[in-house]
Amino acid sequence: GAVVSQHPSRVICKSGTSVKIECRSLDFQATTMFWYRQFPKQSLMLMATSNEGSKATYEQGVEKDKFLINHASLTLSTLTVTSAHPEDSSFYICSASRGLEDEQYFGPGTRLTVT
Amino acid sequence: AQSVSQHNHHVILSEAASLELGCNYSYGGTVNLFWYVQYPGQHLQLLLKYFSGDPLVKGIKGFEAEFIKSKFSFNLRKPSVQWSDTAEYFCAVNARGATNKLIFGTGTLLAVQP
Repeated sequence: GAVVSQHPSRVICKSGTSVKIECRSLDFQATTMFWYRQFPKQSLMLMATSNEGSKATYEQGVEKDKFLINHASLTLSTLTVTSAHPEDSSFYICSASRGLEDEQYFGPGTRLTVT
Repeated sequence: AQSVSQHNHHVILSEAASLELGCNYSYGGTVNLFWYVQYPGQHLQLLLKYFSGDPLVKGIKGFEAEFIKSKFSFNLRKPSVQWSDTAEYFCAVNARGATNKLIFGTGTLLAVQP
């Protein structure tokens, strides 16, 4: 149990376009979902925390107008990278949690390449 | 602010060698502690976690970790590694009761040679 999926697994887009990444909890209801960014050979950096039905909380330095997060249901959160640029190329990982004292279950990640 | 340090960035061991990966955190309050593993091409998986109780925590695949509060440490150990343990290992912490937002260390890449 506690499986999290992400779609797509890889995406290549042109500079200036927008890309949407989906994160789904397949067999549980996630009250909270998290979005991370992982640069090559570096750790996961938390971008934002998303609670179902409310606005996401962004970490310092993360542009909320550029990285739009929607958590419309207890099983789905989306991250939209708007007006993507090559420096947005990265590995984006989501995780989901059932509650405050629950662990996070991680998705497989999405490799975004902006050309 | 919370932070997590993993001092070993890259570790190379032969099979059957013992493993200890260091993790130290900085936070003034009570924390929950985690070790995650990322096998090549796979997603992050939880190895073990400490919330409270016995500071020696046993996880999957023969891993264990010991929480030493006085040293702000949560080192990961395995007495005898296997080739299949080749992966990247991340230590993480969150502030208990406030949020389950995780702060990750920089990771340790373990390569086990057969």
